[in-house]
Amino acid sequence: DAKTTQPTSMDCAEGRAANLPCNHSTISGNEYVYWYRQIHSQGPQYIIHGLKNNETNEMASLIITEDRKSSTLILPHATLRDTAVYYCIVRVVGNDMRFGAGTRLTVKP
Amino acid sequence: DTGVSQNPRHKITKRGQNVTFRCDPISEHNRLYWYRQTLGQGPEFLTYFQNEAQLEKSRLLSDRFSAERPKGSFSTLEIQRTEQGDSAMYLCASSLGAGADTEAFFGQGTRLTVV
Repeated sequence: DAKTTQPTSMDCAEGRAANLPCNHSTISGNEYVYWYRQIHSQGPQYIIHGLKNNETNEMASLIITEDRKSSTLILPHATLRDTAVYYCIVRVVGNDMRFGAGTRLTVKP
Repeated sequence: DTGVSQNPRHKITKRGQNVTFRCDPISEHNRLYWYRQTLGQGPEFLTYFQNEAQLEKSRLLSDRFSAERPKGSFSTLEIQRTEQGDSAMYLCASSLGAGADTEAFFGQGTRLTVV
């Protein structure tokens, strides 16, 4: 599976949009982009995934660039409870999830 | 459906002792994964099962580690002759298949401390 690069940490003001970038420049055509998050002392939680189209669900939006070499996870109105480590994962269907170090997002009042 | 359940939540053991963790996946989930997570790092893949068959094992899974899923339902992860370096959070996840739209559900983990 392709490697991903994420910033180590980010801050966001409560109520504002949180935009978390991920670089996956070596992604191949059959690899999907997944986002999970891990709130302190809990197991990771699925957020969203996509192949090449932008995706939106009740939690977040996923914007994938046309060349698929990077993506952005958008939390439209961040709350204090969104403080967590966010993982961007590139995965071939059928394979397991391989996590990197992720981005530690801190939402501040 | 109560989600993925892991027991115990915490385990403190002396170096050299054997420990066993249990994972109960979401019912009917045929895939089950084990991960290990140390402080400040993302989860590291250890192994996974498709029903009762163990299909892949990471190089991290030394000879002291063994995982089973005897009837394709719950799974156990045993560590023999524990070392201080085994101290970590051990996470279990399950999924219904492994397709693109498949979501892996994680348990709360078992935190192992080897003293």
